[in-house]
Amino acid sequence: QKEVEQDPGPLSVPEGAIVSLNCTYSNSAFQYFMWYRQYSRKGPELLMYTYSSGNKEDGRFTAQVDKSSKYISLFIRDSQPSDSATYLCAFRSYNTDKLIFGTGTRLQVFP
Amino acid sequence: DTAVSQTPKYLVTQMGNDKSIKCEQNLGHDTMYWYKQDSKKFLKIMFSYNNKELIINETVPNRFSPKSPDKAHLNLHINSLELGDSAVYFCASSPTLGLAGAKLKTQYFGPGTRLLVL
Repeated sequence: QKEVEQDPGPLSVPEGAIVSLNCTYSNSAFQYFMWYRQYSRKGPELLMYTYSSGNKEDGRFTAQVDKSSKYISLFIRDSQPSDSATYLCAFRSYNTDKLIFGTGTRLQVFP
Repeated sequence: DTAVSQTPKYLVTQMGNDKSIKCEQNLGHDTMYWYKQDSKKFLKIMFSYNNKELIINETVPNRFSPKSPDKAHLNLHINSLELGDSAVYFCASSPTLGLAGAKLKTQYFGPGTRLLVL
């Protein structure tokens, strides 16, 4: 079983749609849960992070973690063409620098 | 102004050659990393250095040798390049863990170096 599973997409949605991106993981040691956004030909940038089960909201973005199901989600409300990018989930265990990334989901928001 | 910079941006070379990629960060961070992103966009850590000391050394061929002359720089030297080394290589940096415990160490990525081995 892979440590992290993420649907590669592509996911194509109209502007204004609600987008749901998901990852599952198998490692119970993961304590920190992150979403990175990567625009084409750029480096990944941190979008959201959390370390507990539940929801965390930041503007149009909501990160959701369900530790019991080992499942994390990123919701994007009122999606914009500028949200078109690859979204990578990332995980880290306690007391280590090592990030484990999902394979990324490519999102395209069309006007 | 750039926080994490890498040179070169593009590198096209022949199999068997030796090449280096340079990385510099001006964020004052203590930890730096090298990642490899393959053609399927899978991003995997290769090495990390903290204050010039090797911390993470993943299962990477020993043709890859990182070198940290100071905490603001982490270079990657690759010997005897192979076709399978073609990828995008990202450098990243992050601050040291907080005293209160394992606080989030946000990793800031450079723009990447696109390596193509022919």
